[in-house]
Amino acid sequence: DVKVTQSSRYLVKRTGEKVFLECVQDMDHENMFWYRQDPGLGLRLIYFSYDVKMKEKGDIPEGYSVSREKKERFSLILESASTNQTSMYLCASSTWTSGIGGDTQYFGPGTRLTVL
Amino acid sequence: SQQGEEDPQALSIQEGENATMNCSYKTSINNLQWYRQNSGRGLVHLILIRSNEREKHSGRLRVTLDTSKKSSSLLITASRAADTASYFCATDRSGGSNYKLTFGKGTLLTVNP
Repeated sequence: DVKVTQSSRYLVKRTGEKVFLECVQDMDHENMFWYRQDPGLGLRLIYFSYDVKMKEKGDIPEGYSVSREKKERFSLILESASTNQTSMYLCASSTWTSGIGGDTQYFGPGTRLTVL
Repeated sequence: SQQGEEDPQALSIQEGENATMNCSYKTSINNLQWYRQNSGRGLVHLILIRSNEREKHSGRLRVTLDTSKKSSSLLITASRAADTASYFCATDRSGGSNYKLTFGKGTLLTVNP
């Protein structure tokens, strides 16, 4: 059974703290993604990675960085947390299929981060 | 930027009725997918339809795709209370990164028992 896990379901941090969100997948997927989800805005892509040590910016990368040292693990880092980063963070993974796209993404349960 | 936009934003029906949600998108696509999200949880893939397909079925789900109108619809037949969730369409872009999806804002479906 496919599984994507995230390190915390709920997290409360203070403004200015460095925050690490961890995501692990056990499906040997090449691609991993970080999204944030806010009411009325839907899912927005922060960063994604298509291989170990490879990363690309998504639509809203400002204020975030990522790390992918191992294939199964993709970390999202908030260097100095701010209140506008309070959100639900979702990690996902996918694998290459036929090369014509349509890769299903498998999501973790999400981390609800509150920055005070 | 948002590629898919779902309509309506919210839908409330009685158990046993059918639910129809629509998705419109702006640029050419290779594939369109539908996902479900139960409250406070991650998304779960439901069904994928390719740009050269017009209709696809999976159990109680029926998806249509009209590339000339850049729109798709998801029909859930004989709905159940357990179908209560948010539903999102997701598209990949023709000529773009095939593994990167763009999600809409979702339709919140409530099925009343």
